[in-house]
Amino acid sequence: DTAVSQTPKYLVTQMGNDKSIKCEQNLGHDTMYWYKQDSKKFLKIMFSYNNKELIINETVPNRFSPKSPDKAHLNLHINSLELGDSAVYFCASSQQSRQGEQYFGPGTRLTVT
Amino acid sequence: QQQVKQSPQSLIVQKGGISIINCAYENTAFDYFPWYQQFPGKGPALLIAIRPDVSEKKEGRFTISFNKSAKQFSLHIMDSQPGDSATYFCAASFRGSTLGRLYFGRGTQLTVWP
Repeated sequence: DTAVSQTPKYLVTQMGNDKSIKCEQNLGHDTMYWYKQDSKKFLKIMFSYNNKELIINETVPNRFSPKSPDKAHLNLHINSLELGDSAVYFCASSQQSRQGEQYFGPGTRLTVT
Repeated sequence: QQQVKQSPQSLIVQKGGISIINCAYENTAFDYFPWYQQFPGKGPALLIAIRPDVSEKKEGRFTISFNKSAKQFSLHIMDSQPGDSATYFCAASFRGSTLGRLYFGRGTQLTVWP
């Protein structure tokens, strides 16, 4: 059983397009996150949600909009894609009381051409 | 401002050797220090973690050493194996905080030569 799953695994698209990445966790966690990992492997937190409520919103362009329909799902929608958005995006989850123990998904490699 | 500083950026070790990765932090309110391991094409996975009330934690070949006064902690991999080749991230968080989050170091790419 996959604990944290993401779809799609690869996403190739052109500049200006709008795309979404989906994330689901079956661990019963109440907190979910989106991270961006650049080509230098740096992990940058973008958003976190606790019980469907936005908790962390780092300095991210408002072209990025997370949506949490329920505790087990956190989707990321990106409008007007730019070349600089190319990266690997990771979803993660944890219990709120144990935010240092995060479980990561396999990642979505986004390539904008 | 980088809350957790990690070094070296890359490390090459011979099979059977000891790999050492160092991290330093600024905020003394951090109370949980995990290490994550990431293999190519995979997401990071929690490897081992320590709280500041102990100076060392060992799990198999992996040991965290913690120096609270120096605000430093390190990961030691004994008898390093080619299968240990991965990127390692140190991190820090405020465990139990409702507004907590993980502050990651920039990562160390470890290569273990057979």
